[in-house]
Amino acid sequence: DQQVKQNSPSLSVQEGRISILNCDYTNSMFDYFLWYKKYPAEGPTFLISISSIKDKNEDGRFTVFLNKSAKHLSLHIVPSQPGDSAVYFCAAAGGTSYGKLTFGQGTILTVHP
Amino acid sequence: GAVVSQHPSWVICKSGTSVKIECRSLDFQATTMFWYRQFPKQSLMLMATSNEGSKATYEQGVEKDKFLINHASLTLSTLTVTSAHPEDSSFYICSASGARARSPLHFGNGTRLTVT
Repeated sequence: DQQVKQNSPSLSVQEGRISILNCDYTNSMFDYFLWYKKYPAEGPTFLISISSIKDKNEDGRFTVFLNKSAKHLSLHIVPSQPGDSAVYFCAAAGGTSYGKLTFGQGTILTVHP
Repeated sequence: GAVVSQHPSWVICKSGTSVKIECRSLDFQATTMFWYRQFPKQSLMLMATSNEGSKATYEQGVEKDKFLINHASLTLSTLTVTSAHPEDSSFYICSASGARARSPLHFGNGTRLTVT
């Protein structure tokens, strides 16, 4: 049972435009959400997180939106840059252990110059 | 920022041998470390939670006798894949949690294990 889903395996965006990556979850116990960027053969790099008490968190070009009623979160990257091309994973945590992350399947983002 | 170091970055071993992977937190004390595995084109799956000074907690379906975890100090956890088989070939990644609540996990760079 996939508790965190990223339904778009890939996304292609022109440089300078907005990239929107989506993520859905099913477990109501999740209350902390993170986005990671990953290159092949490397570990994930933390980008941004959001707690369930918020609906938006912004850090530079990255903004994460959380819609608890819809159990949906999204990552906006504005403006997109070719260096943003990577696999993006959303992850969720909750309950007693915030280190036990449940990951989505990942979305391959390609930003074209 | 927090740094997690993982070693080796890649290893090739023969079937039946054992391989040890180290995970170190370089600039903070990690009371808890986590081991994940990623098969090609799939997501990261949590294998086990490693607690300093106590036994690891394994996720359902993960054989504790095959994947031995030791967390002897606040900065080091090791994962030993015993009697490795080709189906154990995967990308193994560790992460560490600092003392601050809800601090984001920082991951090591992973270990690519190939069993021939």
